[in-house]
Amino acid sequence: EAGVAQSPRYKIIEKRQSVAFWCNPISGHATLYWYQQILGQGPKLLIQFQNNGVVDDSQLPKDRFSAERLKGVDSTLKIQPAKLEDSAVYLCASSPRDFVGANVLTFGAGSRLTVL
Amino acid sequence: TQLLEQSPQFLSIQEGENLTVYCNSSSVFSSLQWYRQEPGEGPVLLVTVVTGGEVKKLKRLTFQFGDARKDSSLHITAAQTGDTGLYLCAGALDNLFFGTGTRLTVIP
Repeated sequence: EAGVAQSPRYKIIEKRQSVAFWCNPISGHATLYWYQQILGQGPKLLIQFQNNGVVDDSQLPKDRFSAERLKGVDSTLKIQPAKLEDSAVYLCASSPRDFVGANVLTFGAGSRLTVL
Repeated sequence: TQLLEQSPQFLSIQEGENLTVYCNSSSVFSSLQWYRQEPGEGPVLLVTVVTGGEVKKLKRLTFQFGDARKDSSLHITAAQTGDTGLYLCAGALDNLFFGTGTRLTVIP
């Protein structure tokens, strides 16, 4: 089974520029998550999709971050305009169904963003 | 403020030594998971514990969920260089909340 695919793996931009990250989850997985992992910290949930609907985006800085999951498969996460503190690894994860207690998340390798 | 605090934050030990990593919270979780993350990769699930007091073993790794389902520990026996990585606990509430992480380095 193919894993969670993310691109690009690395991106360096100037502050105030925009950037987009793409995620292709495991085939058939209904739930997709975007996490932000700042260096030295644990991942923090940004947004959770169930099929193509948003379940939780309470931690997403909506003034600059946006995400969509068209047709309930691939997803994109966009940052515009970027700030220095957005430098982090953006992890995408998917799971077979809606989050219920002991559900298993499979993570992609992440997209590392550096904002100069 | 982090929901889950892990200690120690960094740990460097010799191959063959034993170690314990702790994950603590004031919240009660329906389940708790442990992940290991290697550089340039996403976290990989090691184990899920569900019942208070539950103990699970995965080869040289022993995971325990606290009786009150607020804390957990990970014990590694006879550490190997392949155990090097970032260990993350994650507690399940309405969603999955990750701990602060413990970076383990095992020196040959």
